[in-house]
Amino acid sequence: DAGITQSPRHKVTETGTPVTLRCHQTENHRYMYWYRQDPGHGLRLIHYSYGVKDTDKGEVSDGYSVSRSKTEDFLLTLESATSSQTSVYFCAISARQTATNEKLFFGSGTQLSVL
Amino acid sequence: QKEVEQNSGPLSVPEGAIASLNCTYSDRGSQSFFWYRQYSGKSPELIMSIYSNGDKEDGRFTAQLNKASQYVSLLIRDSQPSDSATYLCVNNDMRFGAGTRLTVKP
Repeated sequence: DAGITQSPRHKVTETGTPVTLRCHQTENHRYMYWYRQDPGHGLRLIHYSYGVKDTDKGEVSDGYSVSRSKTEDFLLTLESATSSQTSVYFCAISARQTATNEKLFFGSGTQLSVL
Repeated sequence: QKEVEQNSGPLSVPEGAIASLNCTYSDRGSQSFFWYRQYSGKSPELIMSIYSNGDKEDGRFTAQLNKASQYVSLLIRDSQPSDSATYLCVNNDMRFGAGTRLTVKP
């Protein structure tokens, strides 16, 4: 299994509180992604990173921010959590060194509930 | 409109049948596609990738890409109950379709 760890695995929080999810990798992969998964929507890309301090928005970035200060860590922050952000959050990594090296490796996911 | 569209199903087939999963995409610039399988409560895992027009076979799985018609499909031959999962189509921008839930009935 690829060395990718998400923390926490489960979190319950209240509306309006800040929340930070962490993704840690030991593969030295350049690309890291944050997705959310909701019934009927599949996986939707929130933000991604293509290097230290290099990030970009995905499909559903409103209400989320990210930071990548080290190759191995990619943080997702909900500045003020809302009930619509209740979801399962997956982190993924990819080497993407060539056009045929784009396999995504996923973490185990974080179940976030905003009450 | 999502970049990648899938019929969310559910799709149910009997054991031993061929399961056909389809995906359409809007970006003609998409170069490659991937099929991921996700068991309930688990993370997605890659099962097939396809980079050029035509068919690509790997065991019981065949991926098909038609760039002119902008669709991608996954065929699973001799379907087994263990194939029951959600199948997700992804383009090379890492945009996922909504997924198709497949159930293979013994």
